[in-house]
Amino acid sequence: KAGVTQTPRYLIKTRGQQVTLSCSPISGHRSVSWYQQTPGQGLQFLFEYFSETQRNKGNFPGRFSGRQFSNSRSEMNVSTLELGDSALYLCASSTTGTYTDTQYFGPGTRLTVL
Amino acid sequence: DQQVKQNSPSLSVQEGRISILNCDYTNSMFDYFLWYKKYPAEGPTFLISISSIKDKNEDGRFTVFLNKSAKHLSLHIVPSQPGDSAVYFCAANRSGGYQKVTFGTGTKLQVIP
Repeated sequence: KAGVTQTPRYLIKTRGQQVTLSCSPISGHRSVSWYQQTPGQGLQFLFEYFSETQRNKGNFPGRFSGRQFSNSRSEMNVSTLELGDSALYLCASSTTGTYTDTQYFGPGTRLTVL
Repeated sequence: DQQVKQNSPSLSVQEGRISILNCDYTNSMFDYFLWYKKYPAEGPTFLISISSIKDKNEDGRFTVFLNKSAKHLSLHIVPSQPGDSAVYFCAANRSGGYQKVTFGTGTKLQVIP
């Protein structure tokens, strides 16, 4: 079974631009979560989607948004990029997204904002 | 406000010895805890979990201990192997809900051959 894939793997953007990151979950997984990893902050939860519905959201500004498609693939968008948005963005999938469900992570997208 | 804390950013252990990674949490609503391992250029991989109704859970060389009164958990790796060298993340969640995992900042473990 193929793992979680994320595209692109690396991105360089400038302040003020917007960016869209993509995540394809493991086949059969319907829950997709997104995390931001920065040095010193660990992984911070952004949001979780299940069946095209956002069920949980972390403490991030409205510039961060996401969506999920009917095939469970998910995208996240960051508008009006700031230098502090430079981070590794990780996507994780699980079957139903309940709290005991094992999450499987993709390799991440490294975003650099100049 | 860091609700899950890993106060040791790094740890070095000799091969064959025990590795002990520590984690503290502040939110008393957390009752499900996990450890993940992360190699460079890869996403985190689930290692082991523990529910707050238990104080110990074992899986092969990995054992997680939970002390609810102290809001403290630890991961023991015995014996440590060079392949265990990675960043270990402690994480916490609330039961009954959906995925909204809170991670610590990670501890980089180096196992010296």
